[in-house]
Parts: sequence; C-alpha cells; structure tokens
Amino acid sequence: GAVVSQHPSWVICKSGTSVKIECRSLDFQATTMFWYRQFPKQSLMLMATSNEGSKATYEQGVEKDKFLINHASLTLSTLTVTSAHPEDSSFYICSAPGRGQETQYFGPGTRLLVL
Amino acid sequence: AQSVTQLDSHVSVSEGTPVLLRCNYSSSYSPSLFWYVQHPNKGLQLLLKYTSAATLVKGINGFEAEFKKSETSFHLTKPSAHMSDAAEYFCVVSDRGTGRRALTFGSGTRLQVQP
Repeated sequence: GAVVSQHPSWVICKSGTSVKIECRSLDFQATTMFWYRQFPKQSLMLMATSNEGSKATYEQGVEKDKFLINHASLTLSTLTVTSAHPEDSSFYICSAPGRGQETQYFGPGTRLLVL
Repeated sequence: AQSVTQLDSHVSVSEGTPVLLRCNYSSSYSPSLFWYVQHPNKGLQLLLKYTSAATLVKGINGFEAEFKKSETSFHLTKPSAHMSDAAEYFCVVSDRGTGRRALTFGSGTRLQVQP
C-alpha cells in the first residue's frame, strides 16, 4: 500500500528556535497533504491543508505565521514551527489521500518537545 | 458540518470476549466513515472504511463495523478480543459531498484487554 514518511520521528529543541518537519509520499503523488496535531491522551486535530503550488489552508485558531507550511513538490510537504514554545510540544502527524481519494495514508508522526 | 462522537473513552474486556466500540456521527452529506487504530508510539493504521457500498464492512484483524443510517452509528465490533488489540481506536468521518477531504476524528476509545 501507499506509504507516507515523516522526518524526524522526534525532536527536542529549545524555546524560541524553529523546527522543520518533513512529510513525504514515497510511492505516490499528493497534491494535497494534511497536518494534524495530537496532544497527549487527546484526539487528532486538523491544523492545515497543504496544497501543492498554492497557499496552505489553515483551520480556525491555527496561526499561519507560526506554523509555516510549504508544499514544495508532489511528494513533499514541510511544516515549520517557528519560535517554538513549550506549549507547542505535541505529536504532529501528516496524511495524504490515496489514489481513490477515500483513504488517507498517515505518516508515523513526529514527536516535538520544546524545552 | 461533520462530527463524530465516540461514546466510551475507555473500554476494558477480557481476552477472548467480544469487543464493541461505539461511534455516532453527524454529517451534512453522504459520509465516508473509517476506523483507525493507533498503537503506542506507532502511526495510525486503517482498520476498515465505509464509502456507501455494503453497510456491513469487514476490516483487518477480524474487526467489522455496520453503518446504520437511521441510528447515525458506525460501531466497531470483534467477536473475540486478543491481547494485541489493546490500543487507541478512532472513529473518523469524511464528508464527500463537500469536496473537503480532511478527516474529522472522534475523541478516541482506549481498548484494554485483560488476560
């Protein structure tokens, strides 16, 4: 089946620094990718929709200047957490719709810890 | 707008006994419904999906779910629980009619399997 990878799998950074997370579709192209955030013992919440060749669409309450999304190619989307703070510590997961569009394929997630 | 309600945050069963994880949905259009499983420190795995074909959907690892439009439910069942089934389960909805392919996740149900 389709595979989505994320890098890094985990990252620890100091408060105030920026962190970039990559999401790649390994064996298929994705004009759209989705970024979710999952806090401990909570569900996944959609942050934004990444669109190849155009601006990302952010969900209400998500700061676009803080969470920069770039869909550089048909197989790569990046999420940059700028000026990270401890409250940004979370599990970030990306997904991409498969060929049939009904099924989403999820990356393994990136665990971010901001000290 | 679409939403998903998972009625139990935690379910505990004994190994070999049936599993029932309850899910109700709300959707403005014809929904696609999914169940995903998340094992600790692992990515999301699709268990099964309903996309307007047969209302009884069979998935992997012996799981199945029945779409009941009159009850707006999509409960997940398994005849006999196995220790390896212990995980977090998410009921997910996608509104096909809106053209929006992002998923809305339920709050999750943690399944515990006792030996």
